[in-house]
Amino acid sequence: AQTVTQSQPEMSVQEAETVTLSCTYDTSESNYYLFWYKQPPSRQMILVIRQEAYKQQNATENRFSVNFQKAAKSFSLKISDSQLGDTAMYFCAFVSSNTGKLIFGQGTTLQVKP
Amino acid sequence: GAVVSQHPSWVICKSGTSVKIECRSLDFQATTMFWYRQFPKQSLMLMATSNEGSKATYEQGVEKDKFLINHASLTLSTLTVTSAHPEDSSFYICSARRGALEGYSPLHFGNGTRLTVT
Repeated sequence: AQTVTQSQPEMSVQEAETVTLSCTYDTSESNYYLFWYKQPPSRQMILVIRQEAYKQQNATENRFSVNFQKAAKSFSLKISDSQLGDTAMYFCAFVSSNTGKLIFGQGTTLQVKP
Repeated sequence: GAVVSQHPSWVICKSGTSVKIECRSLDFQATTMFWYRQFPKQSLMLMATSNEGSKATYEQGVEKDKFLINHASLTLSTLTVTSAHPEDSSFYICSARRGALEGYSPLHFGNGTRLTVT
């Protein structure tokens, strides 16, 4: 079975600074996908960034980038130039290409301070 | 973009009654939908996979007779919480993936339903 672990329950960062959220996962599969989702106070799930496991190049989306270390099974999210609107709970997630099920980590609550 | 609509957004019911939650894909057909449960400040736990035209697949530990799932069309899945009890109070979220079961295609999420059982 696949597992996703986020070891940082809460983090805070000053506005305009950079923060990195950690995520590790465990799987025996070779073909899978990884995601970061954001859940603001409205509780709407918002896709932040995604990564295919077979791609070595780290994905980037504007201020968001990942550090994907496949051998270490690590998938961290870096948020640059943090904004107040980035305050939310962030979930790392794993999808097996076999089942299509999205499995979430425990989540990290990020607070951006003015 | 793809939109998933979930209704109702908030419901209060008395213990022992049943509650139905609807999940609709508004601008695409979804052969598969997923139902999640989320407790306050916790993660989303996958409850079941809803398959159009066939029985749902439940995750281990989820009571299929308590949480009835019906996926009668390519745009609608329903979750019925039967004989609800206070411990069923939670936030329920549905999600859908457009088209084939491609892992890379991200799930589109409904806005969730907050269920309170009194």
